[in-house]
Amino acid sequence: KAGVTQTPRYLIKTRGQQVTLSCSPISGHRSVSWYQQTPGQGLQFLFEYFSETQRNKGNFPGRFSGRQFSNSRSEMNVSTLELGDSALYLCASSKTPDGGELFFGEGSRLTVL
Amino acid sequence: GQQLNQSPQSMFIQEGEDVSMNCTSSSIFNTWLWYKQDPGEGPVLLIALYKAGELTSNGRLTAQFGITRKDSFLNISASIPSDVGIYFCAGAGGTSYGKLTFGQGTILTVHP
Repeated sequence: KAGVTQTPRYLIKTRGQQVTLSCSPISGHRSVSWYQQTPGQGLQFLFEYFSETQRNKGNFPGRFSGRQFSNSRSEMNVSTLELGDSALYLCASSKTPDGGELFFGEGSRLTVL
Repeated sequence: GQQLNQSPQSMFIQEGEDVSMNCTSSSIFNTWLWYKQDPGEGPVLLIALYKAGELTSNGRLTAQFGITRKDSFLNISASIPSDVGIYFCAGAGGTSYGKLTFGQGTILTVHP
């Protein structure tokens, strides 16, 4: 069974640009969550989608947004990139309706110069 | 944001030794999860606990959901070099909708 797939794995952007990250959940999983991981803050919850609806959102500015498609695939977007947005962005999917037990992808490593 | 208190922060052990790490929280959780993360990879789910007092094993790993629902521990028996990595605890509320609260992680180094 294929795991959570994230693309791209690595990317470099400059300040002010925007970036879109993609996530394909495990087949049959309808809940998709996004996390930001940095050395200083650890793993921080961004948002969660289920059936194309955002059900939960973390404490991040509006520059961070996401969406989910009818096939459960998800994308997240960060606009007007800042140096502090450099991080590992992790996508996770869950088979449980409340989205509690998460299975993570390998992540997208974003570097902002 | 809220974080779990995970200890120890790091451990240096010899191959074959047993390892124990724990997490405590000021809040009650309905689910406790333990993950392992290797460098450059995403966290891998090791054990999930759903009931206060529950003790669950996965091979050489054993984890328990504390009776107060505010703590959990993970034991690794007879450590091997491939156990090296960062171990995270995570807690989920009643209706988490994807939101887990993570500990700071325990960095495990195993000397052969």
